[in-house]
Amino acid sequence: DADVTQTPRNRITKTGKRIMLECSQTKGHDRMYWYRQDPGLGLQLIYYSFDVKDINKGEISDGYSVSRQAQAKFSLSLESAIPNQTALYFCATSDTRGGTGVTGELFFGEGSRLTVL
Amino acid sequence: SQKIEQNSEALNIQEGKTATLTCNYTNYSPAYLQWYRQDPGRGPVFLLLIRENEKEKRKERLKVTFDTTLKQSLFHITASQPADSATYLCALDRDGGFKTIFGAGTRLFVKA
Repeated sequence: DADVTQTPRNRITKTGKRIMLECSQTKGHDRMYWYRQDPGLGLQLIYYSFDVKDINKGEISDGYSVSRQAQAKFSLSLESAIPNQTALYFCATSDTRGGTGVTGELFFGEGSRLTVL
Repeated sequence: SQKIEQNSEALNIQEGKTATLTCNYTNYSPAYLQWYRQDPGRGPVFLLLIRENEKEKRKERLKVTFDTTLKQSLFHITASQPADSATYLCALDRDGGFKTIFGAGTRLFVKA
């Protein structure tokens, strides 16, 4: 099983619908992130969380919200999806409690491809 | 604003040759520079990290250089193989992960 699991892997929806993308991890890492990837652009940070009680906006948080339900679970919601939110979404984790975490190495899930019609 | 530039054009090389990918950045002073590999439809996978006080780092067939004066990193794959074909992402970080910024990546094709 993957260490960072995203569901669904693919989703097609219509404008105005509410969508939730879920992420769970078995790595025991404290930090979790949501990124968006568009063709020709670098990964853009949407939200990040240092622990269950800490949620922070990234560079493109407008139109998105998140919930850190547990240490291992971090979900991304689109309250009212619009076509320009069509993209590939990645969840990632890192561990700041020693080792590679100090240097920010990120562990990514397999991605959730979202299409908003 | 902070900016990372990687060659947007794909790099095509022959098997056995050395592939060299470039990452340039502006308006940033990273503490760490990372390289990731991404296969189509998959999540990025961490390859190598180099710190600001390091000039070069090696791992098997991979070599990364980091020139903070030129604000540039070079990523080399020696004795390249068709299995090395993928997109390679450069990422910069100063604060331990939560402000990592990524380049758009360079697509590498290695022909047998």
